[in-house]
Amino acid sequence: GIQVEQSPPDLILQEGANSTLRCNFSDSVNNLQWFHQNPWGQLINLFYIPSGTKQNGRLSATTVATERYSLLYISSSQTTDSGVYFCAGTSGNTPLVFGKGTRLSVIA
Amino acid sequence: GAVVSQHPSRVICKSGTSVKIECRSLDFQATTMFWYRQFPKQSLMLMATSNEGSKATYEQGVEKDKFLINHASLTLSTLTVTSAHPEDSSFYICSAALSREQYFGPGTRLTVL
Repeated sequence: GIQVEQSPPDLILQEGANSTLRCNFSDSVNNLQWFHQNPWGQLINLFYIPSGTKQNGRLSATTVATERYSLLYISSSQTTDSGVYFCAGTSGNTPLVFGKGTRLSVIA
Repeated sequence: GAVVSQHPSRVICKSGTSVKIECRSLDFQATTMFWYRQFPKQSLMLMATSNEGSKATYEQGVEKDKFLINHASLTLSTLTVTSAHPEDSSFYICSAALSREQYFGPGTRLTVL
């Protein structure tokens, strides 16, 4: 099955800083999602982005399907951005495969 | 839109008892729901895929007789942990598929004493 690698595993940012999180896939995917897991465990959908670029406020994401990677950009980070960011993908109709996540801490 | 609920959010039970967790899609119908398990500071591990009106598909290594899944309607899937043991303590999360996207419930924290 598909392997999903996320980097970096941990990230500490000063409030206001920008960051880029990366997700690499071992094979082509036709479904790719980014999630933010908050401290209470809830996974929040950030982007459904099998290809192309999307933006939502301070967050944006780009997927280069032909090169099997996706990037999540966080600009002007806030303490409320802290948590774990997961990417997950799949090909065909198989269930999503999750990466191990990037644990982000934004400090004031 | 696309809200998924889980109940209960937290449960503590004695070893040997059974626990039922409900997953509901509140504002959409889901023919497919998924059950995940998450250990502290780890990623989500898929346990099974729940299909409305048919048997669930379990991932390798997941005991189907221990983790009973019932997807009786287009908005409800249940996971029953039978004869729970302390090693079953974990965070259980469900998700429901809407078109190609998955939406997740808030999770259920199970503690088996």
